[in-house]
Amino acid sequence: EVQLVESGGGLVQPGGSLRLSCAASGFTFSSYAMSWVRQTPGKGLEWFSGISGGGSGTYYADSVKGRFTISRANSENTLYLQMDSLRAEDTAIYYCVKGSRGSYPYYFDSWGQGTLVTVSP
Amino acid sequence: EIVLTQSPGTLSLSPGERATLSCRASQSVSSSYLAWYQQKPGQAPRLLIYAASTRATGIPDRFRGSGSGTDFTLTISRLEPEDFAVYYCQPYGSSRAFGQGTKVEIK
Repeated sequence: EVQLVESGGGLVQPGGSLRLSCAASGFTFSSYAMSWVRQTPGKGLEWFSGISGGGSGTYYADSVKGRFTISRANSENTLYLQMDSLRAEDTAIYYCVKGSRGSYPYYFDSWGQGTLVTVSP
Repeated sequence: EIVLTQSPGTLSLSPGERATLSCRASQSVSSSYLAWYQQKPGQAPRLLIYAASTRATGIPDRFRGSGSGTDFTLTISRLEPEDFAVYYCQPYGSSRAFGQGTKVEIK
């Protein structure tokens, strides 16, 4: 059974940094692309970052480009998201999501339970 | 980037009724790389349909996806109590932007 467990969320001040982790199990981690998707409370879903199975390809939406960095440690079955220069509009539930294959194109076939990030003074 | 428009925003139906949800893309979705997800309150989204019409593992056959190009439809043939939720469509080729969602609520 695929399991994705996010951690690292919490309250941070504007301009601050936070690092999210996602521990994966139940599948061959290095064979699948991974993504981060966020959801503003009461609103819809936003894909904003993805990484290929081997880690060589990384992708970002314009909303986070230059501020967020996605990475993975395949030996540890862990996905990371380094978030810098955080803004109030980054407040959201952050989901770790497994891709259906190692690289583009892939749909999201498994989701973590999400971790809440709140950016506020 | 492909912009998805889902309609209606809210669908009010009774259990046992048929639900028809629309997803329209601003440009053609390559190779029908279109997925549908279901999200219940307090839960993460769940994959329902991929490649426009293929049900994900464990999804009952009352869920049917159809369409190609710019127009896609999710049909729930007979609503069960557990089907009342928000549904999102998403292309997964060159664009990964989600639609804004359709809420299926109990009438």
